[in-house]
Amino acid sequence: GAGVSQTPSNKVTEKGKYVELRCDPISGHTALYWYRQSLGQGPEFLIYFQGTGAADDSGLPNDRFFAVRPEGSVSTLKIQRTERGDSAVYLCASSPPDGYSGANVLTFGAGSRLTVL
Amino acid sequence: DQQVKQNSPSLSVQEGRISILNCDYTNSMFDYFLWYKKYPAEGPTFLISISSIKDKNEDGRFTVFLNKSAKHLSLHIVPSQPGDSAVYFCALQTGANNLFFGTGTRLTVIP
Repeated sequence: GAGVSQTPSNKVTEKGKYVELRCDPISGHTALYWYRQSLGQGPEFLIYFQGTGAADDSGLPNDRFFAVRPEGSVSTLKIQRTERGDSAVYLCASSPPDGYSGANVLTFGAGSRLTVL
Repeated sequence: DQQVKQNSPSLSVQEGRISILNCDYTNSMFDYFLWYKKYPAEGPTFLISISSIKDKNEDGRFTVFLNKSAKHLSLHIVPSQPGDSAVYFCALQTGANNLFFGTGTRLTVIP
């Protein structure tokens, strides 16, 4: 597709349940990022993939959060034992291979809004 | 520890006038400074950026100013148009990859 695609667009779940959020980046983009945006806040970095490997997962809040990108394209963010505080919009972004050093311009998807009741 | 601050949560401007959005930061290690615009139910979209070695970058109606000594970044939009109404985020880049976003300013351009 032409842009970054995220599914589902909305997810309502109960506290304690398991959730998966999917991101399909722009074709050819090797870098993939997950951000979380809580109400009234800016996007907060969670994890960054370069190809299949997680190059930086320092933003994951705890071990209930995990992300994979097994074939270097689609990524899945997995949240175990969801809590009400996990409610937020989860944004995925991708960027092309590093051909030069410069501003890292990310293309974002529309996000997956997660509500934990 | 909030490294990037946008102290004005909202701004209203008359169509045709200048919009000035501000961003302050605490860490001197940022290499690039970016502005993103976000419409409701959409992801943020890139608007304009500036390198830490410059103090001004212009692209059409949009100009970004960087004052490193004051650790201050601003975005000027002139003339403002109703279609510019959105939430604007500054995003500061350290190293090759990581972006730190501000809390956003909601701009409303009144026709």
